[in-house]
Parts: sequence; C-alpha cells; structure tokens
Amino acid sequence: AQSVTQLGSHVSVSEGALVLLRCNYSSSVPPYLFWYVQYPNQGLQLLLKYTSAATLVKGINGFEAEFKKSETSFHLTKPSAHMSDAAEYFCAVSAFGDSNYQLIWGAGTKLIIKP
Amino acid sequence: DGGITQSPKYLFRKEGQNVTLSCEQNLNHDAMYWYRQDPGQGLRLIYYSQIVNDFQKGDIAEGYSVSREKKESFPLTVTSAQKNPTAFYLCASSLGDPGQLLSGANVLTFGAGSRLTVL
Repeated sequence: AQSVTQLGSHVSVSEGALVLLRCNYSSSVPPYLFWYVQYPNQGLQLLLKYTSAATLVKGINGFEAEFKKSETSFHLTKPSAHMSDAAEYFCAVSAFGDSNYQLIWGAGTKLIIKP
Repeated sequence: DGGITQSPKYLFRKEGQNVTLSCEQNLNHDAMYWYRQDPGQGLRLIYYSQIVNDFQKGDIAEGYSVSREKKESFPLTVTSAQKNPTAFYLCASSLGDPGQLLSGANVLTFGAGSRLTVL
C-alpha cells in the first residue's frame, strides 16, 4: 500500500531564507508525485509534479522538488522565501496500476513566513 | 475564465438535516471528485465520477450521496447519517479519466471549497 508522510505540520522560516518542506513516500511500484499548495480558505492548486522524467522538477512561484528513489523522498524547496509563500503545502503520491483511481495525500505542512 | 464554482462557501446545519453542496465546472472536464479536508489530515476522497450518470465511492462515502446528471455539475449531499459532517469540502475535476490522473498526464483542478459546520 502506498503512503505519504510529511514531516512537520508547521514550518517557520524568515523572509529570504531557504524553504524546505519534506515529503517521504512508500510505494511498491514507481510512483508519480505531486505537490499542491492551498492558500487560506481556498482550493488546492498544483505546484509541480514528477512523472518519471527528470528527477529535479521545477514548478511555479520558484519552487522545485527532487525525486530521490534511494531515500524515497520528494522534498520541496525554494531558495528564498517570500511573504506570499505562506500557505499549506500537500504532497501526494499515486502509483499506476492500483485499482482505485485516487491520489494518496499527506497531512499537509503549513508554511509560516516571518518578516 | 474557466474554473470550478462551489457554493455555498459557508454553511451551517442542524443535526438531522440533509444539506447539498453545489459544484459546477466550465472546464469541459470529464471527471469530477469530492474530497473532505479535516485539520491535520490529508484529503480524503468521498466520491468521484468519470462520466454522466456514473459515479464511484471513495474511501469515506458513508453518509454522503452524489449525482451526475450533467457533465458540468456534481452536487454532494451530506445526509443525516454522516456522523461527523463538520469539515471543509473540496470539489475537483480533471480532463480525461482518473487513470490518466494517476499517471500524471492530467492534474486536479480544485474549487475554492465549502465549509460545513453542524450546530
């Protein structure tokens, strides 16, 4: 069975500092991996996705994530945090071949930006 | 602009009442989904529909019902049988079938959500 673990329900960084949001997954087959962002009282929007092409994936708003099979990780990073990055971030995994048509979601990490 | 419209944004319900959450999309997407979001948890799938007049249960379908009479619309009814209905409900859609979603060929587009509170 697949699962997703996001380390840290809250992450706080200073404006201009590096953002690192952690996501580890378990999957018995090669996974597809996604990061979504949710601003307060809004729906989610896709930041980036890994679909077995390049292991370093670039997304919107300056975010990127690296797929590391040996570490079963797909951590999200941004070199310099901006106040507008304050939001909740969700990692999700799917594995082609499962009978259920759905993604497995992490619990989310709330990113707090300190001025 | 194309998108997904959910209404109402906020809804209060007394115990024992059924309520219906609206979801309309003008993206011409084939598949539509309902998710439930609770604090500190990932999204959980309630129902999804690949085509008109067809829908499938997700992980937590008990106490909920849906219909898909039109491609654009996928309303969710929270019935009195749902033991703990207070939550944030998200509607989503995707182009193509959910299998393409899993392969990354398509992605989910979400509405802004409806927050249901049971008094």
